[in-house]
Amino acid sequence: QKEVEQNSGPLSVPEGAIASLNCTYSDRGSQSFFWYRQYSGKSPELIMFIYSNGDKEDGRFTAQLNKASQYVSLLIRDSQPSDSATYLCAVGKAAGNKLTFGGGTRVLVKP
Amino acid sequence: AAGVIQSPRHLIKEKRETATLKCYPIPRHDTVYWYQQGPGQDPQFLISFYEKMQSDKGSIPDRFSAQQFSDYHSELNMSSLELGDSALYFCASSLGMRKEQYFGPGTRLTVT
Repeated sequence: QKEVEQNSGPLSVPEGAIASLNCTYSDRGSQSFFWYRQYSGKSPELIMFIYSNGDKEDGRFTAQLNKASQYVSLLIRDSQPSDSATYLCAVGKAAGNKLTFGGGTRVLVKP
Repeated sequence: AAGVIQSPRHLIKEKRETATLKCYPIPRHDTVYWYQQGPGQDPQFLISFYEKMQSDKGSIPDRFSAQQFSDYHSELNMSSLELGDSALYFCASSLGMRKEQYFGPGTRLTVT
């Protein structure tokens, strides 16, 4: 079992709809949580980070963290074709610096 | 805003050769990370430096070494290259440890 799990998709959503992505992690010592967007052949782009339980909103993106259930989610509102990409969930622990990534969820936004 | 700079962007080497990848962090960032991403895989952590000292180590082969210099740039040295080393190598930087990491454009290494 991977430390960080994501549904690989593809998640197909119509333009203007809400895309909902989920991520679970196994280490209860995890302290920091990140969502990256990655286009094919490009580098991961940080779009959201969250450290405390609850919701965090930034523009069309909302990250939700539930440490008791060990999951973090990302909502993309008013999805646009340019949102079509792979979304990587990354988790950091209290000790050490590394991020552990999930396998990514591929999102396809259809016009 | 200034971003992480990596050089070279593309590198082709033969088996058993050596390669050096360079990373220039975002100005004022004091922590640098190296990740390797193979085709169809997620990024795998290699090593990190905080204030020029190694701060964490992941699945980095013994053939690889890295350091962070006084100007905070970092270099990843790779020796005795193998075909399996072909991958995208990303450098990321952050302001402080365990903070948001911003990735550079990556170096695509091809070993033939």
